[in-house]
Amino acid sequence: KAGVTQTPRYLIKTRGQQVTLSCSPISGHRSVSWYQQTPGQGLQFLFEYFSETQRNKGNFPGRFSGRQFSNSRSEMNVSTLELGDSALYLCASSFDGNYEQYFGPGTRLTVT
Amino acid sequence: AQSVSQHNHHVILSEAASLELGCNYSYGGTVNLFWYVQYPGQHLQLLLKYFSGDPLVKGIKGFEAEFIKSKFSFNLRKPSVQWSDTAEYFCAAYNQGGKLIFGQGTELSVKP
Repeated sequence: KAGVTQTPRYLIKTRGQQVTLSCSPISGHRSVSWYQQTPGQGLQFLFEYFSETQRNKGNFPGRFSGRQFSNSRSEMNVSTLELGDSALYLCASSFDGNYEQYFGPGTRLTVT
Repeated sequence: AQSVSQHNHHVILSEAASLELGCNYSYGGTVNLFWYVQYPGQHLQLLLKYFSGDPLVKGIKGFEAEFIKSKFSFNLRKPSVQWSDTAEYFCAAYNQGGKLIFGQGTELSVKP
């Protein structure tokens, strides 16, 4: 079974720009969650999508948004990038939200 | 706020030493608990999980964890560590809102 894939793996953007990250879950998994990982804040939950609906949301500003498609693939978007958005963005999929989550390799976003 | 806390930020051990990493969560009720590991340059992998039943759970690579409800703890143990166990370890729990909350992580360095 293929694992969770994320594209792109690395991204460099300038302040004020926007970015879209993509995540393809494990086949059959309907829940996709996104996390931000930074050295200072650790792993922080961004949001979870299940059957194309946002089911849970973390404490991030509205600049962070996401969506899920009918094939369970998910995208997250960050608008008006700030330097502090530089982080590793992780996607995880699970059969349902409360089951174990399987993580992708992440997208390393650098904002300059 | 519901939280997960890990007692040690950085642990240094020699090979063959025993390991115990502490984890406490802040809320009662039904709780699903996990330990994840992140080896250098690799993505997060599930080590073990606890949903219900036997409070002593065994995971991959010789790791085990004990759920102690009265202490709100889920400590990770391994009788004899190897150099290849050098990694960052994360404890996580689903909170009552259905979000997966991570501890700050413990960096384990094993000296050969």
